[in-house]
Amino acid sequence: GESVGLHLPTLSVQEGDNSIINCAYSNSASDYFIWYKQESGKGPQFIIDIRSNMDKRQGQRVTVLLNKTVKHLSLQIAATQPGDSAVYFCAVDTGRRALTFGSGTRLQVQP
Amino acid sequence: AAGVIQSPRHLIKEKRETATLKCYPIPRHDTVYWYQQGPGQDPQFLISFYEKMQSDKGSIPDRFSAQQFSDYHSELNMSSLELGDSALYFCASSPWTGRNTGELFFGEGSRLTVL
Repeated sequence: GESVGLHLPTLSVQEGDNSIINCAYSNSASDYFIWYKQESGKGPQFIIDIRSNMDKRQGQRVTVLLNKTVKHLSLQIAATQPGDSAVYFCAVDTGRRALTFGSGTRLQVQP
Repeated sequence: AAGVIQSPRHLIKEKRETATLKCYPIPRHDTVYWYQQGPGQDPQFLISFYEKMQSDKGSIPDRFSAQQFSDYHSELNMSSLELGDSALYFCASSPWTGRNTGELFFGEGSRLTVL
């Protein structure tokens, strides 16, 4: 099966700094990866995705890096803002027709 | 834009009672997923449906059942409720994208509290 894990449960950064949230996955057959943001009491919101034929993808202030060799995924948030404070999950699709979520990392942005 | 609608948003039940959660997917999305999220936990996949047929099954207890109806809405039925069933239940929908799941669009969740 697939297990997905994050390295740090809580990340605290200063407003304006860059944030990096990491995620490890176990199944080398995983071929689609998504980062979700979840604010308190709300459903997960899509941030950015990447397929296994890519190693980097950029969005607005966010970048996802994929290292298939070590089965590692990271989310970089540039110029972190207070509104970025939330729990971030990586999710992995292994073709089961469902996403497997990793344990979330809580991002706290200090003003 | 239309989003995934879940009802009720909050539900309080006693142990051994039954609860039903409803999910209305985004229009033209034919695949529905149910996830359970305990306090401080990651969302756990329960079950999914494509075109009214069960497409995948995760860690759904035998006490739970679900179905997708002809209008694509889905219902999650939970019986013999236990204290441990207290959680946020999310429904997500997506258009069928072939092999991969693709992006899931989540509802705001239904919070079930079992007393």
